[in-house]
Amino acid sequence: EDQVTQSPEALRLQEGESSSLNCSYTVSGLRGLFWYRQDPGKGPEFLFTLYSAGEEKEKERLKATLTKKESFLHITAPKPEDSATYLCAVQVPNFNKFYFGSGTKLNVKP
Amino acid sequence: GAGVSQSPRYKVAKRGQDVALRCDPISGHVSLFWYQQALGQGPEFLTYFQNEAQLDKSGLPSDRFFAERPEGSVSTLKIQRTQQEDSAVYLCASSPQARSNQPQHFGDGTRLSIL
Repeated sequence: EDQVTQSPEALRLQEGESSSLNCSYTVSGLRGLFWYRQDPGKGPEFLFTLYSAGEEKEKERLKATLTKKESFLHITAPKPEDSATYLCAVQVPNFNKFYFGSGTKLNVKP
Repeated sequence: GAGVSQSPRYKVAKRGQDVALRCDPISGHVSLFWYQQALGQGPEFLTYFQNEAQLDKSGLPSDRFFAERPEGSVSTLKIQRTQQEDSAVYLCASSPQARSNQPQHFGDGTRLSIL
């Protein structure tokens, strides 16, 4: 059964305290793994796509990595404006479906 | 604007009423998706359109849910005889091509509350 699990469910950091969010998945044939940021009352906002194990993508304080079974979103020296829920999603071979995890709610305190 | 637009933003209905939720995708986008997002959860797939064709409706929870995209642009998600468990945020997303691994662009959703 295709499944996506994110951990931790919630994470509280002090400003400047680096950490990592995890997304583990079990799908038969990954077409792509996507990271999104979602602010309260808003739709998910696209961050990164990773297609194959070993791939890495960076954007400002965020870096996403991918292995055969999981992806990490590393946050370096976070700021309060990085507070949001971070969602990962996997795309299955028929291209029609995306399975989302439940998200990690990040709170960065000043 | 250039993004995905959903209306209404909020909808309150009494149990048993029918509701219709609208999605205006980004112009020219071929693929359109509907998702249901419960509080504190990730979006759950409902259905997928490629232009006007509904290619996958495996996520629709019951036959009370119906979606259409008659001209390959605007889409409507209709829920008949609403139940309390239908309360959720309904998200629409579009992407430029069919059967590709490009990211989806999401609207801000319709928050549906069933009393």
